Amino acid sequence: EVQLVESGGVFIQPGRSLRLSCAASGFTFDDYGMQWVRQAPGKGLEWVSGLSWNAGTIAYADSVRGRFTISRDNAKNFVYLQMNNVRDDDTALYYCVRSMTLAVSGPSDYWGQGTLVTVSS
Amino acid sequence: QSVLTQPPSASGTPGQRVTISCSGGNSNIGSNTVNWYQQLPGTAPKLLIFNNNQRPSGVPDRFSGSKSGTSASLAISGLQFEDEADYYCGTWDDSLSGRGVFGGGTKLTVL
Repeated sequence: EVQLVESGGVFIQPGRSLRLSCAASGFTFDDYGMQWVRQAPGKGLEWVSGLSWNAGTIAYADSVRGRFTISRDNAKNFVYLQMNNVRDDDTALYYCVRSMTLAVSGPSDYWGQGTLVTVSS
Repeated sequence: QSVLTQPPSASGTPGQRVTISCSGGNSNIGSNTVNWYQQLPGTAPKLLIFNNNQRPSGVPDRFSGSKSGTSASLAISGLQFEDEADYYCGTWDDSLSGRGVFGGGTKLTVL
């Protein structure tokens, strides 16, 4: 059974940093691209970042480029999202998502339950 | 402001057929396949349709997708109360080094 379990969500002040982690299991991790998608309270889905199976292709939404960094550890079956200089509008539930293909651009076929990041002073 | 445009709401009665539209541009829907996601209240989104019109295992054939040019649509036939949810279209956008994009979501109410 495919499982994606996020962790690292916290209540944090603007300008600070945190790292989200996603533990993947139930599939051959390095056969798939991975993504992060977020959802602000009461709002729609926003694609944040993604990377291909070997991190050879990495992409970011304009809203986070230069502040967030995505990475993966294929030996440990983890994907990470380093979030620097967070802002109030980064407040959201962050989902770890599997791409259906090796590429970052594949359909998002499995979703974790999300980890909540709240940014406020 | 979402890159893909969906109607904010849709509704129907049990047994009816409803459609939800998704409009984009040449760099996204016009160049890539479209996926649809269903989000039931309080849960994570679930892949409903991929590659324009393919259903993952377990998704009823009441759900179907299509794409033409820079627009796509999701159709739900034989509407059921359990279909009441938020529906999102999504695809890849080839502009700005590439990125994923979603529509703003459509809240489907079954009356």
